[in-house]
Amino acid sequence: QKEVEQNSGPLSVPEGAIASLNCTYSDRGSQSFFWYRQYSGKSPELIMSIYSNGDKEDGRFTAQLNKASQYVSLLIRDSQPSDSATYLCAVNVGGSARQLTFGSGTQLTVLP
Amino acid sequence: ETGVTQSPTHLIKTRGQQVTLRCSSQSGHNTVSWYQQALGQGPQFIFQYYREEENGRGNFPPRFSGLQFPNYSSELNVNALELDDSALYLCASSWGIDTGELFFGEGSRLTVL
Repeated sequence: QKEVEQNSGPLSVPEGAIASLNCTYSDRGSQSFFWYRQYSGKSPELIMSIYSNGDKEDGRFTAQLNKASQYVSLLIRDSQPSDSATYLCAVNVGGSARQLTFGSGTQLTVLP
Repeated sequence: ETGVTQSPTHLIKTRGQQVTLRCSSQSGHNTVSWYQQALGQGPQFIFQYYREEENGRGNFPPRFSGLQFPNYSSELNVNALELDDSALYLCASSWGIDTGELFFGEGSRLTVL
C-alpha cells in the first residue's frame, strides 16, 4: 500500500463547477497535511495546509481533514481554466514535518 | 524578497558521471530540502539541511550527498550516475526544520544517458 494515494485522474470539470480532489494516507501518526499545485513544467506551489480535523477555507479553496478515516480532500469552488494543473497531496512522515511524502498527484482540467 | 533559485536548469550526463546541483534559498529561510521528482510522480524526499548539517534523509543511497553553506545555500551531489537518476531535482527552502510549508525552486532537470 502506498503511503499517500490519490486518484491520478485526469479529472475534468466545467468552468464554474466544484472540483473535488481526494487523498488517503496510511500513517496514523501523521499530523500535517498539505496541498500543492503544480502547473505543467513548473515546480510545486503550496496552496493549503491543514493540521486539525474539519474544514479550512481560503478563498475558493477548502481543505477537509478526517484523521479517523485517514482522508484529506481539497475542494475548489467556481473552478477556473487557470486552476488546470496537477494537485499534489503531501503528508508528514513519522510525526515530523521535515519529511513530506507526496502522492502522485491528480491532474485537473477545467473546461471553458 | 528573493525566491528559491536553482542551477543549472537542464543538464545531460552519461552513466557513471558525477553531477552537482546548486540552490539558493529564499531570503530569510534557513532550511533547505531536496526532492527528486520522476516523470508523472510526486516529489520524493532526498534529505534536508539545517545549520550546515544533514537533518533527515529519505530512502536514497549514499552516492546522493549534500552540503549547506553559511549563507543557507545548498548543493546536491550525485556520484556514479545511473539511468534511473534521470528526474527533476527540486530544492525547497523553509524557515525552520519542522514545517511542510515549503517554497520550491524551478528545479534542475537531469537526463542520464
